[in-house]
Amino acid sequence: GAGVSQSPSNKVTEKGKDVELRCDPISGHTALYWYRQRLGQGLEFLIYFQGNSAPDKSGLPSDRFSAERTGESVSTLTIQRTQQEDSAVYLCASSLRTGGWNQPQHFGDGTRLSIL
Amino acid sequence: KQEVTQIPAALSVPEGENLVLNCSFTDSAIYNLQWFRQDPGKGLTSLLLIQSSQREQTSGRLNASLDKSSGRSTLYIAASQPGDSATYLCAGRSYNTDKLIFGTGTRLQVFP
Repeated sequence: GAGVSQSPSNKVTEKGKDVELRCDPISGHTALYWYRQRLGQGLEFLIYFQGNSAPDKSGLPSDRFSAERTGESVSTLTIQRTQQEDSAVYLCASSLRTGGWNQPQHFGDGTRLSIL
Repeated sequence: KQEVTQIPAALSVPEGENLVLNCSFTDSAIYNLQWFRQDPGKGLTSLLLIQSSQREQTSGRLNASLDKSSGRSTLYIAASQPGDSATYLCAGRSYNTDKLIFGTGTRLQVFP
């Protein structure tokens, strides 16, 4: 597709369950980012991928959160043993990284995660 | 540590008005600043990106400026329309990092 695609668009699950969120970046974009937007708060950075490597994981809030990227394309964000405070919209972005850092980030519509 | 603040938090104006949204950042070592709009239930749409070497960027009715010395960026919207109603977010990227630091946004409503 032409834009960043995220699935599912909505996810409701019980506390304690594991969830996987998927992001398909724009074709050819080597950089991929995950952010979280909790209700009434700004976007928080979670993790950044360049290719399949994650040089910056500093935003992951706990060891229950992990992410991977394969084929320099699809990325999966996994949250284990979900807690109610994990409820948020999880946004993925990608950018064309050609050696400079002045490329805009393009965002998907997000996954709205609700923990009961 | 970079912190980004947006004022006002909410703004309601009649159609046709010119308006200015403000964004302040604490770390002047900013590499670029990006403005986005977010519609309810949607992701972010990139509007403008200003590089640290630039002072302003324009796209249609939108003009964004960047003043590193004062730690400020403004988004100017000319001749506002109801379709401009959305939340506007600014985000700064500092040197030697790839992540964006976001402000909490300005919720804009333009009424007919």
